[in-house]
Amino acid sequence: DADVTQTPRNRITKTGKRIMLECSQTKGHDRMYWYRQDPGLGLRLIYYSFDVKDINKGEISDGYSVSRQAQAKFSLSLESAIPNQTALYFCATSDSTSGESDTQYFGPGTRLTVL
Amino acid sequence: QKEVEQDPGPLSVPEGAIVSLNCTYSNSAFQYFMWYRQYSRKGPELLMYTYSSGNKEDGRFTAQVDKSSKYISLFIRDSQPSDSATYLCAPTTLGRLYFGRGTQLTVWP
Repeated sequence: DADVTQTPRNRITKTGKRIMLECSQTKGHDRMYWYRQDPGLGLRLIYYSFDVKDINKGEISDGYSVSRQAQAKFSLSLESAIPNQTALYFCATSDSTSGESDTQYFGPGTRLTVL
Repeated sequence: QKEVEQDPGPLSVPEGAIVSLNCTYSNSAFQYFMWYRQYSRKGPELLMYTYSSGNKEDGRFTAQVDKSSKYISLFIRDSQPSDSATYLCAPTTLGRLYFGRGTQLTVWP
Protein backbone atom coordinates (compact mmCIF):
# COMPACT_ATOMS: atom_id res chain seq x y z
CA ASP A 1 0.00 0.00 0.00
CA ALA A 2 1.12 3.54 -0.72
CA ASP A 3 2.52 5.53 2.21
CA VAL A 4 0.81 8.77 1.15
CA THR A 5 -2.65 8.49 -0.35
CA GLN A 6 -4.85 11.17 -1.84
CA THR A 7 -8.57 11.06 -2.52
CA PRO A 8 -10.13 11.59 -4.94
CA ARG A 9 -7.58 11.05 -7.71
CA ASN A 10 -9.64 12.96 -10.23
CA ARG A 11 -12.45 15.40 -9.71
CA ILE A 12 -14.52 17.58 -12.00
CA THR A 13 -16.64 20.23 -10.35
CA LYS A 14 -18.46 23.43 -11.18
CA THR A 15 -17.71 27.02 -10.32
CA GLY A 16 -18.96 27.94 -6.86
CA LYS A 17 -19.01 24.43 -5.46
CA ARG A 18 -17.28 23.50 -2.23
CA ILE A 19 -14.79 20.70 -2.59
CA MET A 20 -12.47 18.85 -0.23
CA LEU A 21 -9.32 16.97 -1.11
CA GLU A 22 -8.04 14.49 1.43
CA CYS A 23 -4.59 13.22 2.26
CA SER A 24 -3.66 10.33 4.54
CA GLN A 25 -0.26 8.95 5.41
CA THR A 26 1.01 5.82 7.13
CA LYS A 27 4.61 7.02 7.40
CA GLY A 28 4.18 8.38 10.92
CA HIS A 29 5.48 11.76 9.82
CA ASP A 30 4.58 14.88 11.78
CA ARG A 31 4.76 17.41 8.92
CA MET A 32 2.32 17.63 6.04
CA TYR A 33 2.04 19.93 3.04
CA TRP A 34 -0.32 20.82 0.21
CA TYR A 35 0.98 21.98 -3.18
CA ARG A 36 -0.55 22.76 -6.52
CA GLN A 37 1.17 22.21 -9.84
CA ASP A 38 0.35 24.13 -12.99
CA PRO A 39 2.05 23.60 -16.36
CA GLY A 40 5.22 25.67 -16.55
CA LEU A 41 4.96 26.92 -12.96
CA GLY A 42 6.38 24.06 -10.93
CA LEU A 43 4.97 23.26 -7.51
CA ARG A 44 3.68 26.05 -5.31
CA LEU A 45 3.02 25.67 -1.61
CA ILE A 46 -0.56 26.29 -0.47
CA TYR A 47 -0.49 25.37 3.23
CA TYR A 48 1.70 23.38 5.55
CA SER A 49 1.41 21.90 9.02
CA PHE A 50 4.31 20.99 11.30
CA ASP A 51 2.06 19.23 13.79
CA VAL A 52 -1.63 18.81 14.55
CA LYS A 53 -1.93 22.22 16.21
CA ASP A 54 0.23 24.09 13.73
CA ILE A 55 -1.11 25.41 10.41
CA ASN A 56 0.78 27.85 8.20
CA LYS A 57 -0.01 29.64 4.96
CA GLY A 58 2.19 29.03 1.97
CA GLU A 59 2.72 31.30 -1.00
CA ILE A 60 -0.74 30.86 -2.57
CA SER A 61 -3.25 30.26 0.26
CA ASP A 62 -6.00 32.62 -0.94
CA GLY A 63 -9.17 30.69 -1.79
CA TYR A 64 -8.07 27.60 0.15
CA SER A 65 -8.39 26.34 3.71
CA VAL A 66 -7.01 23.29 5.47
CA SER A 67 -7.75 21.03 8.41
CA ARG A 68 -5.31 18.75 10.22
CA GLN A 69 -7.71 16.23 11.72
CA ALA A 70 -4.99 13.96 13.07
CA GLN A 71 -1.29 13.47 12.62
CA ALA A 72 -2.01 11.21 9.66
CA LYS A 73 -4.70 13.31 7.94
CA PHE A 74 -4.54 16.70 6.26
CA SER A 75 -7.44 18.00 4.16
CA LEU A 76 -7.54 20.86 1.67
CA SER A 77 -10.81 22.68 0.98
CA LEU A 78 -11.89 25.02 -1.76
CA GLU A 79 -14.83 26.90 -0.30
CA SER A 80 -16.07 28.21 -3.62
CA ALA A 81 -14.18 26.73 -6.52
CA ILE A 82 -13.20 28.89 -9.49
CA PRO A 83 -11.80 27.84 -12.89
CA ASN A 84 -8.26 29.10 -12.19
CA GLN A 85 -8.05 26.55 -9.38
CA THR A 86 -7.95 23.86 -12.04
CA ALA A 87 -4.61 22.16 -11.36
CA LEU A 88 -2.84 19.07 -10.10
CA TYR A 89 -2.75 18.99 -6.28
CA PHE A 90 -0.14 17.14 -4.27
CA CYS A 91 0.10 16.27 -0.62
CA ALA A 92 3.51 15.65 0.93
CA THR A 93 4.92 14.60 4.30
CA SER A 94 8.21 14.88 6.13
CA ASP A 95 9.64 13.75 9.45
CA SER A 96 11.15 16.46 11.65
CA THR A 97 12.77 13.87 13.93
CA SER A 98 14.78 12.18 11.21
CA GLY A 99 18.23 13.16 10.06
CA GLU A 100 16.66 14.11 6.75
CA SER A 101 13.87 16.33 8.01
CA ASP A 102 13.75 18.39 4.83
CA THR A 103 13.02 15.38 2.64
CA GLN A 104 9.40 15.39 1.56
CA TYR A 105 7.48 12.38 0.27
CA PHE A 106 4.68 13.04 -2.17
CA GLY A 107 1.34 11.43 -2.81
CA PRO A 108 0.13 10.50 -6.30
CA GLY A 109 -1.79 13.73 -6.81
CA THR A 110 -5.39 14.81 -7.39
CA ARG A 111 -6.33 16.23 -10.76
CA LEU A 112 -9.00 18.88 -10.20
CA THR A 113 -10.97 20.52 -12.97
CA VAL A 114 -13.30 23.43 -12.23
CA LEU A 115 -15.75 24.18 -15.03
CA GLN B 1 11.27 37.11 -9.33
CA LYS B 2 11.04 33.55 -8.06
CA GLU B 3 13.52 32.50 -5.42
CA VAL B 4 14.54 29.57 -7.60
CA GLU B 5 14.94 29.87 -11.36
CA GLN B 6 15.05 26.82 -13.60
CA ASP B 7 14.92 26.62 -17.38
CA PRO B 8 11.80 24.57 -18.18
CA GLY B 9 13.21 23.22 -21.43
CA PRO B 10 12.07 20.96 -22.98
CA LEU B 11 15.40 19.20 -23.40
CA SER B 12 15.72 16.33 -25.86
CA VAL B 13 18.90 14.22 -26.08
CA PRO B 14 19.96 10.89 -27.59
CA GLU B 15 20.54 7.85 -25.42
CA GLY B 16 24.03 7.86 -23.92
CA ALA B 17 24.35 11.66 -23.83
CA ILE B 18 25.52 13.62 -20.82
CA VAL B 19 22.73 15.83 -19.52
CA SER B 20 23.23 18.99 -17.50
CA LEU B 21 20.30 20.49 -15.59
CA ASN B 22 20.71 23.75 -13.75
CA CYS B 23 19.05 26.15 -11.32
CA THR B 24 19.95 29.45 -9.76
CA TYR B 25 18.63 30.77 -6.48
CA SER B 26 18.63 33.98 -4.49
CA ASN B 27 18.07 32.97 -0.83
CA SER B 28 21.31 32.56 1.12
CA ALA B 29 19.43 30.70 3.88
CA PHE B 30 18.93 27.57 1.77
CA GLN B 31 20.64 24.64 3.45
CA TYR B 32 19.84 21.45 1.56
CA PHE B 33 19.55 21.23 -2.20
CA MET B 34 17.19 18.57 -3.42
CA TRP B 35 16.53 17.15 -6.85
CA TYR B 36 13.18 15.54 -7.47
CA ARG B 37 12.19 13.52 -10.51
CA GLN B 38 8.61 13.42 -11.71
CA TYR B 39 7.35 10.97 -14.27
CA SER B 40 4.24 11.80 -16.24
CA ARG B 41 1.06 11.52 -14.16
CA LYS B 42 3.02 10.73 -10.98
CA GLY B 43 4.05 12.57 -7.84
CA PRO B 44 7.61 13.90 -7.49
CA GLU B 45 10.16 11.47 -6.03
CA LEU B 46 13.39 12.46 -4.34
CA LEU B 47 16.33 11.65 -6.59
CA MET B 48 19.18 12.95 -4.45
CA TYR B 49 20.30 15.90 -2.40
CA THR B 50 23.42 17.72 -1.26
CA TYR B 51 24.17 19.74 1.80
CA SER B 52 26.27 22.87 1.39
CA SER B 53 28.68 23.34 -1.48
CA GLY B 54 30.32 20.48 -3.31
CA ASN B 55 29.49 17.37 -5.28
CA LYS B 56 27.56 14.23 -4.53
CA GLU B 57 27.50 11.23 -6.81
CA ASP B 58 24.94 8.45 -6.97
CA GLY B 59 25.44 6.05 -9.84
CA ARG B 60 24.98 7.94 -13.09
CA PHE B 61 23.80 11.07 -11.29
CA THR B 62 25.93 13.85 -9.84
CA ALA B 63 24.51 16.79 -7.89
CA GLN B 64 26.61 19.90 -7.53
CA VAL B 65 26.10 23.07 -5.50
CA ASP B 66 28.13 26.28 -5.63
CA LYS B 67 26.84 28.46 -2.82
CA SER B 68 29.15 31.33 -3.72
CA SER B 69 27.42 31.74 -7.07
CA LYS B 70 24.06 30.31 -5.91
CA TYR B 71 24.11 27.72 -8.66
CA ILE B 72 22.72 24.17 -8.51
CA SER B 73 23.44 21.47 -11.09
CA LEU B 74 22.45 17.90 -11.81
CA PHE B 75 24.45 15.83 -14.27
CA ILE B 76 23.24 12.59 -15.79
CA ARG B 77 25.84 10.38 -17.44
CA ASP B 78 25.00 7.75 -20.04
CA SER B 79 21.40 8.92 -20.15
CA GLN B 80 18.73 6.30 -20.74
CA PRO B 81 15.19 6.49 -22.12
CA SER B 82 14.00 5.65 -18.60
CA ASP B 83 15.47 8.99 -17.47
CA SER B 84 12.78 10.79 -19.47
CA ALA B 85 10.92 12.82 -16.86
CA THR B 86 10.65 16.30 -15.39
CA TYR B 87 13.47 17.21 -13.02
CA LEU B 88 12.79 19.74 -10.28
CA CYS B 89 15.40 21.44 -8.18
CA ALA B 90 14.23 22.30 -4.67
CA PRO B 91 16.45 24.02 -2.14
CA THR B 92 15.18 23.98 1.42
CA THR B 93 15.20 26.01 4.58
CA LEU B 94 13.19 25.77 7.82
CA GLY B 95 11.34 22.67 6.68
CA ARG B 96 10.09 24.13 3.40
CA LEU B 97 10.99 23.26 -0.16
CA TYR B 98 11.23 25.97 -2.80
CA PHE B 99 10.72 24.40 -6.20
CA GLY B 100 12.03 25.51 -9.53
CA ARG B 101 9.67 25.21 -12.47
CA GLY B 102 11.15 21.88 -13.51
CA THR B 103 12.98 20.86 -16.69
CA GLN B 104 11.28 18.36 -18.97
CA LEU B 105 13.82 15.85 -20.29
CA THR B 106 13.32 13.36 -23.10
CA VAL B 107 15.99 10.77 -23.88
CA TRP B 108 15.37 9.11 -27.22
CA PRO B 109 16.77 5.69 -28.20
